[in-house]
Amino acid sequence: DVKVTQSSRYLVKRTGEKVFLECVQDMDHENMFWYRQDPGLGLRLIYFSYDVKMKEKGDIPEGYSVSREKKERFSLILESASTNQTSMYLCASRTGGPSYEQYFGPGTRLTVT
Amino acid sequence: SQQGEEDPQALSIQEGENATMNCSYKTSINNLQWYRQNSGRGLVHLILIRSNEREKHSGRLRVTLDTSKKSSSLLITASRAADTASYFCATDASEGGSEKLVFGKGTKLTVNP
Repeated sequence: DVKVTQSSRYLVKRTGEKVFLECVQDMDHENMFWYRQDPGLGLRLIYFSYDVKMKEKGDIPEGYSVSREKKERFSLILESASTNQTSMYLCASRTGGPSYEQYFGPGTRLTVT
Repeated sequence: SQQGEEDPQALSIQEGENATMNCSYKTSINNLQWYRQNSGRGLVHLILIRSNEREKHSGRLRVTLDTSKKSSSLLITASRAADTASYFCATDASEGGSEKLVFGKGTKLTVNP
């Protein structure tokens, strides 16, 4: 079974803190994705990576950065957390090519106070 | 940008009834996928239908695709309380070799016992 794991299920941080969200997949997938999910807005793509050290901005990259030093690990970084970044963050991975399903992690519910 | 849009936003039915959810999209696609999300969890892939397919079945799920109308429907037959979840369609653009999936905002299904 494919497994995508996220470092925390729940996280509470203070405004201005630097926040790291880690995602690890065990299926040697080329592509990895970070989404945020908010009520009424669905899933919005923040960043994705199609190879080690490669990244592309999604629809809402402002306030976020990412790191992919190893194929299995994709990190989302909030340089200076703000209250409007309170959200559910979902990581996903997929093998290359458009006709494959995405595998999602369980999500991290981040609260910034 | 949101490509897939589900309809209705919410649906409440009795156990044993059928549930139908619709998805509309805007541009040409390689395939369309449906995902399910239980409350507070990650998404789970249900079914993928390719652009040259019109109908696909998986257990109690039936998916149709009408590329001329740019729409798809997901039918869950003989629903159970355990089917209570949010359901999302996701599309990938057929142009530009995009590796991204674009998700709709979802239909929240409640199946009452």
